[in-house]
Amino acid sequence: QKEVEQNSGPLSVPEGAIASLNCTYSDRVSQSFFWYRQYSGKSPELIMSIYSNGDKEDGRFTAQLNKASQYVSLLIRDSQPSDSATYLCAVNDGGTSYGKLTFGQGTILTVHP
Amino acid sequence: DAGITQSPRHKVTETGTPVTLRCHQTENHRYMYWYRQDPGHGLRLIHYSYGVKDTDKGEVSDGYSVSRSKTEDFLLTLESATSSQTSVYFCAIGRDGSTDTQYFGPGTRLTVL
Repeated sequence: QKEVEQNSGPLSVPEGAIASLNCTYSDRVSQSFFWYRQYSGKSPELIMSIYSNGDKEDGRFTAQLNKASQYVSLLIRDSQPSDSATYLCAVNDGGTSYGKLTFGQGTILTVHP
Repeated sequence: DAGITQSPRHKVTETGTPVTLRCHQTENHRYMYWYRQDPGHGLRLIHYSYGVKDTDKGEVSDGYSVSRSKTEDFLLTLESATSSQTSVYFCAIGRDGSTDTQYFGPGTRLTVL
């Protein structure tokens, strides 16, 4: 069974700091990796996708992928209280073309003023 | 919100009753997915569809069935609801051309007494 592992947290950082969220996955043929943000009581919202090794930056967010180590991370710079949410890592099923994703359990992030 | 609606948004039912949840999209996407989200388990795939009348099982399909008679609607049925099916159910779409990228509906909170 394909697995995606995240530290459940909670991860607490002060406002303005860098929050670092990590994810490992078991399926070596996975090609697509996603980070979703989910506020309490809301649906998951896609914030980053990454497909190639290295870094991908979008505003205050940077996704990092290392396929050899089967590791993907999300950095949030200048963290704000509004970033407080659960962050879900998702990895595609590399063995099919149906777009199936496996999600981690999520990391709860709290940014305190 | 990617043009996805779910109905009902909240439902309370009794053990043994049938329940149908509806997911409706306005953007004519081919791929649709049903997930459930429970504390400690993250998002788990129940069933998915890759076209009208084309569906397949996901990770946690026991006790659930689906139907897709029109592109825009994907129905999830609990034939005989059990308390273990109390959960939040999310529908998602996969946008053509980038099917791994999924966008979620607002969710349905189902309580089975």
